Amino acid sequence: GQNIDQPTEMTATEGAIVQINCTYQTSGFNGLFWYQQHAGEAPTFLSYNVLDGLEEKGRFSSFLSRSKGYSYLLLKELQMKDSASYLCAVPDEAAGNKLTFGGGTRVLVKP
Amino acid sequence: DADVTQTPRNRITKTGKRIMLECSQTKGHDRMYWYRQDPGLGLRLIYYSFDVKDINKGEISDGYSVSRQAQAKFSLSLESAIPNQTALYFCATSRDSYQPQHFGDGTRLSIL
Repeated sequence: GQNIDQPTEMTATEGAIVQINCTYQTSGFNGLFWYQQHAGEAPTFLSYNVLDGLEEKGRFSSFLSRSKGYSYLLLKELQMKDSASYLCAVPDEAAGNKLTFGGGTRVLVKP
Repeated sequence: DADVTQTPRNRITKTGKRIMLECSQTKGHDRMYWYRQDPGLGLRLIYYSFDVKDINKGEISDGYSVSRQAQAKFSLSLESAIPNQTALYFCATSRDSYQPQHFGDGTRLSIL
């Protein structure tokens, strides 16, 4: 089976940096996805990491360490619109690589 | 127009009723998924389909059934709705396992 852990909630100030951690346990590894989901809306894709290291996309960066079963999403120069839930997800190799999602981390950005 | 369209967007119904949620996509993806999301919880997979002839149960399939009528259409049915099936339901599509899933706008279902 698969297990994904991420913090439930984080609070940060506008303009600051927040790091959302995700640890996972899988039988095989085929990459890790991050999605953003505003309340009541559909999740939208942010990043996909399959190799170790940091990938940067504007204000958002995602890091992966396969040996540690660990990833983080880094949000820089926080804006109010970044208040949302951030979902970590990994494909389940034993089940056709369907995605298993973590419970999500709700980020609240305060002025 | 949305690439992944779910209908209806909202539905209120009574216990015991049969309900069908529909999903259609114009992305040309073979893979389609139905998820359920409860307040404060992540997405849980109900059913998934890798092509028209390949349908699989997810982690919470009890009480649900699906039909893949065509590559572009994937319907979710609740044969006899119960209150604890009240949730936000999402349909998603993907090209393969290494490509991101694209989600519809969701159906908010309330069962009284």
